[in-house]
Amino acid sequence: DTGVSQDPRHKITKRGQNVTFRCDPISEHNRLYWYRQTLGQGPEFLTYFQNEAQLEKSRLLSDRFSAERPKGSFSTLEIQRTEQGDSAMYLCASSPLAGGYNSPLHFGNGTRLTVT
Amino acid sequence: ELKVEQNPLFLSMQEGKNYTIYCNYSTTSDRLYWYRQDPGKSLESLFVLLSNGAVKQEGRLMASLDTKARLSTLHITAAVHDLSATYFCAVDENYGGSQGNLIFGKGTKLSVKP
Repeated sequence: DTGVSQDPRHKITKRGQNVTFRCDPISEHNRLYWYRQTLGQGPEFLTYFQNEAQLEKSRLLSDRFSAERPKGSFSTLEIQRTEQGDSAMYLCASSPLAGGYNSPLHFGNGTRLTVT
Repeated sequence: ELKVEQNPLFLSMQEGKNYTIYCNYSTTSDRLYWYRQDPGKSLESLFVLLSNGAVKQEGRLMASLDTKARLSTLHITAAVHDLSATYFCAVDENYGGSQGNLIFGKGTKLSVKP
């Protein structure tokens, strides 16, 4: 169990640029989640996948955000035309389908995005 | 819409003392999770509470769930400095169904001083 891996750890970008983050979940985990966390707040749900299917997307997620999990393994989160308000820690988490809700989400170390 | 509230948001304790963190949520759910986050680090799972009356203990931490009151507590016994961290509760918003999204509280920042 190598844990959930996220890349990069830090990203600084200028307003208006596009950025893409990658998440590699724990290998046997079917479910993959993206959350966003700003300073002093709890993680806020963005979207989640079961295998390659994107099952839910937060109403708060603007059209500039898109996520994919093409082969049901790793996932990418892209933010287009970044804004300063996008600055946050982006967390990926995974959980096994088999364990059901008895299995907590396992979080990665996150990608910290700073938009200047 | 499910809302999760924690209190207090900040807690400064002396070593050796006991205290309780409260987590209230607004709509019916029977799945609640507690996480710990150290500064600059990710979230670590502490407890999974899946039924009314569930109680779990690990070391100096004990968590309980009262689904009728929509309340969970995280009790700290004889606090030590190593417990200093931010503690989050999170509630599964998909009541009665398969695992859904977790809605997190704002967190309780705990500081244990000698």
